[in-house]
Amino acid sequence: NAGVMQNPRHLVRRRGQEARLRCSPMKGHSHVYWYRQLPEEGLKFMVYLQKENIIDESGMPKERFSAEFPKEGPSILRIQQVVRGDSAAYFCASSPLRGQGQETQYFGPGTRLLVL
Amino acid sequence: KNEVEQSPQNLTAQEGEFITINCSYSVGISALHWLQQHPGGGIVSLFMLSSGKKKHGRLIATINIQEKHSSLHITASHPRDSAVYICAVRSGTETSGSRLTFGEGTQLTVNP
Repeated sequence: NAGVMQNPRHLVRRRGQEARLRCSPMKGHSHVYWYRQLPEEGLKFMVYLQKENIIDESGMPKERFSAEFPKEGPSILRIQQVVRGDSAAYFCASSPLRGQGQETQYFGPGTRLLVL
Repeated sequence: KNEVEQSPQNLTAQEGEFITINCSYSVGISALHWLQQHPGGGIVSLFMLSSGKKKHGRLIATINIQEKHSSLHITASHPRDSAVYICAVRSGTETSGSRLTFGEGTQLTVNP
């Protein structure tokens, strides 16, 4: 059973470009969380999604950032018109259905975004 | 003040020493996680606790719900234990699910 997959692992963008970060949860997991780790800072919650639904996006900047988790395919975190302050490590985590008593979150390896 | 506070921020130990990392939180929680982040950046979940104590190999995690405090202990530390250890709490409602709030992390260095 493969773990949480994220790609790309490293992404370099120039200011004003778009960044697309992908996350494939563990098999059987339908809950996805995105977290951001700015340089020299701790992890911060961004958004929580289930298949085809955004459940909680209270941690996501109101502009330029969006997330989706379609019925088929990976979850995508999209950053439009990137700025240098978006440079960070973006981690995805997944967990299985709620109510099954197994709510440990399994983390992906992260995508390191560098904006030049 | 952060909702989750860890101490110490940095810890250097000699191989074989007993290590304790502390975590205090200020909100009501449903569970507390201890995570390990390796120098390469990957994150591994070590423990999830809602009460009492858990042990896995040389690692022990305890939580005191009344005092809103948790500790992570490492016995017989080894250089390969060098990593950042992160405390995270889950206080989500039905709407917010299991979102985690993280401490700033403790950088542990174990010297041979």
